Amino acid sequence: DTEVTQTPKHLVMGMTNKKSLKCEQHMGHRAMYWYKQKAKKPPELMFVYSYEKLSINESVPSRFSPECPNSSLLNLHLHALQPEDSALYLCASSQDLTGGAYGYTFGSGTRLTVV
Amino acid sequence: AQSVSQHNHHVILSEAASLELGCNYSYGGTVNLFWYVQYPGQHLQLLLKYFSGDPLVKGIKGFEAEFIKSKFSFNLRKPSVQWSDTAEYFCAVVRFSGNTPLVFGKGTRLSVIA
Repeated sequence: DTEVTQTPKHLVMGMTNKKSLKCEQHMGHRAMYWYKQKAKKPPELMFVYSYEKLSINESVPSRFSPECPNSSLLNLHLHALQPEDSALYLCASSQDLTGGAYGYTFGSGTRLTVV
Repeated sequence: AQSVSQHNHHVILSEAASLELGCNYSYGGTVNLFWYVQYPGQHLQLLLKYFSGDPLVKGIKGFEAEFIKSKFSFNLRKPSVQWSDTAEYFCAVVRFSGNTPLVFGKGTRLSVIA
C-alpha cells in the first residue's frame, strides 16, 4: 500500500458543528502532516506529528485539534469553524521525520465548506 | 528561514509552445527538490523530484527539471505543452537533514490556450 487515504472527500458543516477529518497510511511512515490549501494558493503547514507526537503546530487556532491515535492514523477534529476555514485539507506522510530523505506522499484531500 | 521563490505568477502559452517555470530556493545546504502539479479541482500530484545524482531529472507527462546548485535553482521545463497541462505548479524544497518540513513556493498558474 503506497497511498495516503483521506476521508471524507467532501464535507459541509455548520459553524456550530463538530466533525473530524481522517487520514490513514500503511507505509510505516514516521511523520504525518496536515496542510490547509485555499484556492490558487500553496499548501500551508498546520501540524506535524513525528512518532505519534505533535512536533510542530504552526500557530493554528484551537478550533482545529489534531490527534494521532497510532502510527497509521491522523485525525483533525473541527469545532466552531468559521466560513474562512473553508479550504482543501491535505494530509501527507513521510518515511523520515521531515521528508528530507524521501519526500512526502500526499492524500487527495478533504474539501471542507463551512456554512 | 528557508524560502522558495517562483517568479512567474501566471503563464499563458499556446499549445505546442515550450515551457520553463522558474524556482529558486534560499537554503545553502543539501536540499531535496520537488515539483507538484495541481489540476483544477484536484489534489497535488508529484511531477518529479531531485535527491542526488544527475541534475537533470525527468518526470511524468514529459516534464523535466534541472537542478543548478550554483544558482540555487530547479526550473521546470516541457518542450511542447498541451491544453491538458493547464494547472497550478508548485515547487517545494526540504532540507536533507534538520527538522524543517517541506516548504512550498507560491505556485505558478499555467494556462494553455488552443
